[in-house]
Amino acid sequence: LAKTTQPISMDSYEGQEVNITCSHNNIATNDYITWYQQFPSQGPRFIIQGYKTKVTNEVASLFIPADRKSSTLSLPRVSLSDTAVYYCLVGDTYSSASKIIFGSGTRLSIRP
Amino acid sequence: ETGVTQSPTHLIKTRGQQVTLRCSSQSGHNTVSWYQQALGQGPQFIFQYYREEENGRGNFPPRFSGLQFPNYSSELNVNALELDDSALYLCASSLGGVEVYNEQFFGPGTRLTVL
Repeated sequence: LAKTTQPISMDSYEGQEVNITCSHNNIATNDYITWYQQFPSQGPRFIIQGYKTKVTNEVASLFIPADRKSSTLSLPRVSLSDTAVYYCLVGDTYSSASKIIFGSGTRLSIRP
Repeated sequence: ETGVTQSPTHLIKTRGQQVTLRCSSQSGHNTVSWYQQALGQGPQFIFQYYREEENGRGNFPPRFSGLQFPNYSSELNVNALELDDSALYLCASSLGGVEVYNEQFFGPGTRLTVL
């Protein structure tokens, strides 16, 4: 399973767009990129998943360049409630034997 | 709310004791994974069960064991507890199988403290 590298922490302000980049140089052909959000004392919550180019849902966008060695989670117009830890995960999600490897994540702090 | 429930919420044990943690999967999910999350760290994969069979294991000793039942609920058992076993234990359910979108739905976790 490919290892991921993310910034340890980031700070931003309400209403700003936040971009969190994740490096995964050893990503395999069958691997997908998944981002989870975790609030204190809660389980992680799925945000978005993609394979290449751009994916957008109601809460975030995921940008993946052609070489797929990195990805960027974009959170538009963040609010205080977006303060959380964000995990970038890479793995083969199309297998019943899949397992997800979490790194240490990026601790995002949003200020008023 | 993910529909995944865990019990108990909190638990305090002493070193050397045994503990059983329980997880009820989201309806229709046949795969459950267990994770250990130490304070300030990301979740670490313990093992996964798919249709009652162990389907992958992380770097945890044999004193960590599990079961998945026909209704897809699950247990995590830890024997001979050590101080370092103090952590938040998370279970996550998903719909496994080939060519199935495998998003994991996490429960709220059980906070285990070993004294």
